[in-house]
Amino acid sequence: QKEVEQNSGPLSVPEGAIASLNCTYSDRVSQSFFWYRQYSGKSPELIMSIYSNGDKEDGRFTAQLNKASQYVSLLIRDSQPSDSATYLCAVLGGDYKLSFGAGTTVTVRA
Amino acid sequence: DAGVIQSPRHEVTEMGQEVTLRCKPISGHNSLFWYRQTMMRGLELLIYFNNNVPIDDSGMPEDRFSAKMPNASFSTLKIQPSEPRDSAVYFCASSLQTGQAVTQYFGPGTRLLVL
Repeated sequence: QKEVEQNSGPLSVPEGAIASLNCTYSDRVSQSFFWYRQYSGKSPELIMSIYSNGDKEDGRFTAQLNKASQYVSLLIRDSQPSDSATYLCAVLGGDYKLSFGAGTTVTVRA
Repeated sequence: DAGVIQSPRHEVTEMGQEVTLRCKPISGHNSLFWYRQTMMRGLELLIYFNNNVPIDDSGMPEDRFSAKMPNASFSTLKIQPSEPRDSAVYFCASSLQTGQAVTQYFGPGTRLLVL
């Protein structure tokens, strides 16, 4: 079973601040990495995918990947109350199975 | 376009009863996944199909659980007999597997409560 570990949280940040979420994984052959956002009582929705080392930016979200360190992170800039949710890190194995972390709950204080 | 469709959205049943959950994947997708989510165990993959064929069912907890995909547009997850510990949210997800780009799209989930 592949291991995906996330900073446990919960994470509380003031509106306008940067929220930083971290994830480590154990399977060295993993090549595809995803961040899902899940609002309370809703299903996970994809917000970012990253496949190469470095940074990938999409609006206020930046994903960072370091395969050598087996580390992937998500930064949320200018955090808004609507960003309050649980963020799930997911890692795709060579068998096309996604392994999910336990999630980090983010609360943005207005 | 319609996303992944699941039914029922909520199910309350008594221990020992049979429960059938249904899923319609996104049209054109070739892979379908069944997940279970609980507070204690998080999001767990139960089984996945590729081109209607079960590929990996190692996550199915026990023989009480079974899943079928008779065609590309329909899948069922059945629990017989159900037990209180099966209470969870069950998600179906689908994807189009093309190399690394295998984004999975989740349905709204079925909230199951077994009394």
